[in-house]
Amino acid sequence: DAGITQSPRHKVTETGTPVTLRCHQTENHRYMYWYRQDPGHGLRLIHYSYGVKDTDKGEVSDGYSVSRSKTEDFLLTLESATSSQTSVYFCAISESTSYTDTQYFGPGTRLTVL
Amino acid sequence: GENVEQHPSTLSVQEGDSAVIKCTYSDSASNYFPWYKQELGKGPQLIIDIRSNVGEKKDQRIAVTLNKTAKHFSLHITETQPEDSAVYFCAAINYGQNFVFGPGTRLSVLP
Repeated sequence: DAGITQSPRHKVTETGTPVTLRCHQTENHRYMYWYRQDPGHGLRLIHYSYGVKDTDKGEVSDGYSVSRSKTEDFLLTLESATSSQTSVYFCAISESTSYTDTQYFGPGTRLTVL
Repeated sequence: GENVEQHPSTLSVQEGDSAVIKCTYSDSASNYFPWYKQELGKGPQLIIDIRSNVGEKKDQRIAVTLNKTAKHFSLHITETQPEDSAVYFCAAINYGQNFVFGPGTRLSVLP
């Protein structure tokens, strides 16, 4: 998985609790992304980062925040988890946003909100 | 914004037969079209990609064709094997924009 780890790999939590997911890369790539994957929707972009402390919203950013204090780490936080945020979350990295650049994905985190 | 449709949602083929998955996109400015394979419990992995200045690209048993006029592109897998069983995703990207993925196709190769 191209030097990308995600933690935790599985998490069960209750509605209303805060949750933080971590993505760690060893490739020194500039761009990092958080996606969620749901049946029938494919992968949808939540937030992305184009450098340390530089982030922007994606297609489905409501209810999520991100932070990137180091090149290698990108955190996704659910401030108050809801059942609609039950999903599989993938982190991805790329060297740039050039259309010629591939995105490499991590192994995913399965989150269940009860 | 870009919208990507993918068909079929599920596909079953006999081992050794060919499989074809088709994607259509809405933004005529999109110019990069990758295909990802996702095995159970893993993240998507790039298997082949094509750019708008190319009509077809092959890599061993896998090929992708692009029709920019009709705004569709297809993944072709020949001589399918059990290890080809997975979920396949297409995506369409415009320069400097974010990836927009199709909903996925679950391919089952039956022995």
